[in-house]
Amino acid sequence: QVQLVQSGGGVVLPGGSLRLSCAVSGLTFSNYGMHWVRRAPGKGLEWVAAIFNDGSNEQYGDSVKGRFAVSRDNSRNTLYLQMNSLRPEDTAMYYCTSWMGASNFANWGQGTLVTVSS
Amino acid sequence: QAGLTQPPSVSKGLRETATLTCTGDSTNVGSEGAAWLQQHQGHPPKLLFYRSNRRPSGISERFSASRSGTTVSLTITELQPDDEADYYCAAWDSSLRVWFFGGGTKLTVL
Repeated sequence: QVQLVQSGGGVVLPGGSLRLSCAVSGLTFSNYGMHWVRRAPGKGLEWVAAIFNDGSNEQYGDSVKGRFAVSRDNSRNTLYLQMNSLRPEDTAMYYCTSWMGASNFANWGQGTLVTVSS
Repeated sequence: QAGLTQPPSVSKGLRETATLTCTGDSTNVGSEGAAWLQQHQGHPPKLLFYRSNRRPSGISERFSASRSGTTVSLTITELQPDDEADYYCAAWDSSLRVWFFGGGTKLTVL
């Protein structure tokens, strides 16, 4: 049974930092690329970032480029999202989700809420 | 403007058929196809289709999908109350090298 278990959300001040984690089990993590996707209150889904299965390539959405960094530790089967210079508009539920070949977004974490507020 | 366009809302009656659309352009939907996802309130999204019309195991055959040019369509037959959800399309843009999600369509089953 595939499980993606997320942690690390919370409330942070504008300009602050936060790191999200996504622990993956039930699949060979090193074979899968991974995405981060978010949904702000009252809005739709937004792609945040992606990383290749071996960590060799990272991609970012325009709204987070230069502030967020995606990484992974294949020895720990864990995906990370380091979020810096956080803004109120980054307030959202953040999800990790898997990618293998043409099948993107097949498996999802439970989501973790990030609130950026003073 | 770059991105994917979906109608904000669709309403249909119980056991009717709903068809949702998503329009992109030649650098995303037109060349790469699209995925469809369903999201119920308070839950993570669920993949319904990838590569425009490939159904993962476990997805009901009441759901079907197709692509014509730069538009993908999701059709749901015999609508049930549990089909009431937000539906999103997603596509990779090979020119901008980003993933786009459509704005989502809220399906209401009357």
